[in-house]
Amino acid sequence: DGGITQSPKYLFRKEGQNVTLSCEQNLNHDAMYWYRQDPGQGLRLIYYSQIVNDFQKGDIAEGYSVSREKKESFPLTVTSAQKNPTAFYLCASMDLLSGSIYNEQFFGPGTRLTVL
Amino acid sequence: KQEVTQIPAALSVPEGENLVLNCSFTDSAIYNLQWFRQDPGKGLTSLLLIQSSQREQTSGRLNASLDKSSGRSTLYIAASQPGDSATYLCAVRPAGGTSYGKLTFGQGTILTVHP
Repeated sequence: DGGITQSPKYLFRKEGQNVTLSCEQNLNHDAMYWYRQDPGQGLRLIYYSQIVNDFQKGDIAEGYSVSREKKESFPLTVTSAQKNPTAFYLCASMDLLSGSIYNEQFFGPGTRLTVL
Repeated sequence: KQEVTQIPAALSVPEGENLVLNCSFTDSAIYNLQWFRQDPGKGLTSLLLIQSSQREQTSGRLNASLDKSSGRSTLYIAASQPGDSATYLCAVRPAGGTSYGKLTFGQGTILTVHP
């Protein structure tokens, strides 16, 4: 099955810890995205990547870091510098380099991060 | 800066009713607008994508319209069912070569359809 997988589904972090959320896609999409969702709010963009070894900050990048060493993978690290990391994190991918404006963005099932 | 607003924030209707969800955006320079469904604790499922040159798209009991000049879109759900209960989100993709496919989301409408 083609799709996006995120792991773990639930993650608990202690104060001062860094944690890494996994995102893998087998859709052969070039672009990948990380969003954060807080209760009652829409999604806000954290980081995005158009191609391997390149990524850009989104609207709320402070306290987060990413890497894009492989086309299929776009892990997100939530660092201790992120003051309020408890949220639902969603990864997405999209066929961007084809240049079509008809392409949809596809989402993974999400990871719920809770700070203890 | 693009802003997307969804009204109402929550909606509760009896089964069988037809309903309309609203989405408005401030910058009409968009490639497309996408409607998503989100079940509690789950990811987003794409329902409909309307290109900026289109007026509407239909899928089963769902119909989405787009009036780009006025910055409005509506999602019409016919003959609602309890299984339609979910949060519905709209998102716009800005036009321009530097947008990189980034989406701007509204806050969502929580729909409850009761038997």
